[in-house]
Amino acid sequence: DTGVSQNPRHKITKRGQNVTFRCDPISEHNRLYWYRQTLGQGPEFLTYFQNEAQLEKSRLLSDRFSAERPKGSFSTLEIQRTEQGDSAMYLCAGRGLDTDTQYFGPGTRLTVL
Amino acid sequence: QKEVEQNSGPLSVPEGAIASLNCTYSDRGSQSFFWYRQYSGKSPELIMFIYSNGDKEDGRFTAQLNKASQYVSLLIRDSQPSDSATYLCAVNFGNEKLTFGTGTRLTIIP
Repeated sequence: DTGVSQNPRHKITKRGQNVTFRCDPISEHNRLYWYRQTLGQGPEFLTYFQNEAQLEKSRLLSDRFSAERPKGSFSTLEIQRTEQGDSAMYLCAGRGLDTDTQYFGPGTRLTVL
Repeated sequence: QKEVEQNSGPLSVPEGAIASLNCTYSDRGSQSFFWYRQYSGKSPELIMFIYSNGDKEDGRFTAQLNKASQYVSLLIRDSQPSDSATYLCAVNFGNEKLTFGTGTRLTIIP
């Protein structure tokens, strides 16, 4: 158990709806990362935070995606106007100050119908 | 573009044998290298990390890094059926995020 939790674990939604996912890292994780993984592929970087500051966003993160980490603790990832191509596993990872290693939460599997 | 390449497999290995998983990457300036194990439907679980050239051993697992050849491998000794999973190679190219390969699917045959 990495101590990183994600909710919900599964989400089924209809195309066009908005969805929000939450990630709770452990307190030592000052860095928090979001990745997306589709079937048969490795995780792809979306964005990361150092404390509450969002420091990098991938080109994969279209305008429909937004992420926040308001107090440097939990983070949310929102997808507006979902499309079928958004169906994937959304993974959150935490990383501490004195390590290069990222520890993943269990992920949120999104299915867009 | 910085890339990580793995043979997608499947790789089938008899129980008790050594499984050898390979990964190449595109940038000689890469800093750190990770192997994650991923069971079907689950999230990646860290197996090993390596920063320096040479071998690093942890139980039945050995990571090998050759920066000159831009090559990192994972050896699993005394393979068990529970080792059947997809193994993801990940590289930190010095830009905070991890870049993953597509993973190698390993099956241990009893």
